[in-house]
Amino acid sequence: GQNIDQPTEMTATEGAIVQINCTYQTSGFNGLFWYQQHAGEAPTFLSYNVLDGLEEKGRFSSFLSRSKGYSYLLLKELQMKDSASYLCAVTMGAAGNKLTFGGGTRVLVKP
Amino acid sequence: ETGVTQTPRHLVMGMTNKKSLKCEQHLGHNAMYWYKQSAKKPLELMFVYSLEERVENNSVPSRFSPECPNSSHLFLHLHTLQPEDSALYLCASSPGLHIDTEAFFGQGTRLTVV
Repeated sequence: GQNIDQPTEMTATEGAIVQINCTYQTSGFNGLFWYQQHAGEAPTFLSYNVLDGLEEKGRFSSFLSRSKGYSYLLLKELQMKDSASYLCAVTMGAAGNKLTFGGGTRVLVKP
Repeated sequence: ETGVTQTPRHLVMGMTNKKSLKCEQHLGHNAMYWYKQSAKKPLELMFVYSLEERVENNSVPSRFSPECPNSSHLFLHLHTLQPEDSALYLCASSPGLHIDTEAFFGQGTRLTVV
């Protein structure tokens, strides 16, 4: 089976940095996605990692270690609008582009 | 606006009702998905369609019946639901089933079964 774990909730201050960890145990791992979901809205794509290492996109970066079954999403220079749920999801090679999600991490940014 | 539109946004139905959820995508994608998002549970994949053919039914009860008449439209027909089926139902699409690119999600239908 698949097991994808991420913290339930995190709180941080505007302007600060927050790191959201995701660990997974899956068979046939292919790649890992991060999505952002504001309350009542559609999840939107943030990043995709298939190779080990860090992918940087503006204020957001995502890291993957395939050997450790570990990823993190780093949010820098936090803004109030970054308050949302952040969803970690994996795809498994034989299953194609079908996402298996973790429970999501709700991030609350305070002034 | 993600290019995936779901209607209705909110739905309240009784356990004996029959209703349908609709999803439409204008992205030219070949794969479409239904996900269920319940409170305090991960997003769960329900059904996968590729080129209008159902390729996966993730042990979903028969009271949920999907339909994909063409590559742009996906329906979820509901009948004799239970209160525990109350959830946010999300539709998504992607270019192809075996292409690892992001999925585009609709805003979901918030379903309440009374």
